[in-house]
Amino acid sequence: EADIYQTPRYLVIGTGKKITLECSQTMGHDKMYWYQQDPGMELHLIHYSYGVNSTEKGDLSSESTVSRIRTEHFPLTLESARPSHTSQYLCASSGDRRSYEQYFGPGTRLTVT
Amino acid sequence: QQPVQSPQAVILREGEDAVINCSSSKALYSVHWYRQKHGEAPVFLMILLKGGEQMRHEKISASFNEKKQQSSLYLTASQLSYSGTYFCGTEYVNDYKLSFGAGTTVTVRA
Repeated sequence: EADIYQTPRYLVIGTGKKITLECSQTMGHDKMYWYQQDPGMELHLIHYSYGVNSTEKGDLSSESTVSRIRTEHFPLTLESARPSHTSQYLCASSGDRRSYEQYFGPGTRLTVT
Repeated sequence: QQPVQSPQAVILREGEDAVINCSSSKALYSVHWYRQKHGEAPVFLMILLKGGEQMRHEKISASFNEKKQQSSLYLTASQLSYSGTYFCGTEYVNDYKLSFGAGTTVTVRA
């Protein structure tokens, strides 16, 4: 079973607050990803990392930022939350070689009021 | 660019078969298939590699047509547990990231 964790699982927060969504994996994977998914909709890649100190923006424009200081940890930060950020955020990781499967965390369901 | 999945939704009775297609306008290196049940994270089913063979997960199989840049997922003798949303993720020749399709919602009824 994949060991990838996300906290918190649910978060309700007011507009303008700064939030950090945590993602950790214990598989030693170099590649990590953040996806945004609205209920019943497709997954949109918002950030990815191929290793420590490597981060890139994904296909969907996002006001969030990420950091990768340790292999196992890939947090996502929203400096000022807005209602438009309400969504589910999924973290994933995959092995070093090309075309390895992605393991998904349980997700954080964020509601900004 | 996101791949195009079809159909958007399909309703089956137990034991029936279905096919889900995933098409790309760009040259593909691989196609991943994932299944997501309501309220849960996507779970990996299989990978089809360029030049590779057809893959299988239980009674679910998939093929990759390089000429058409298309993959098809075959649900054979469907079971109630097959219900969920199926996503294809495409990896392009010059890009290591996955782009996901819009998903196909499969409902299997007794």
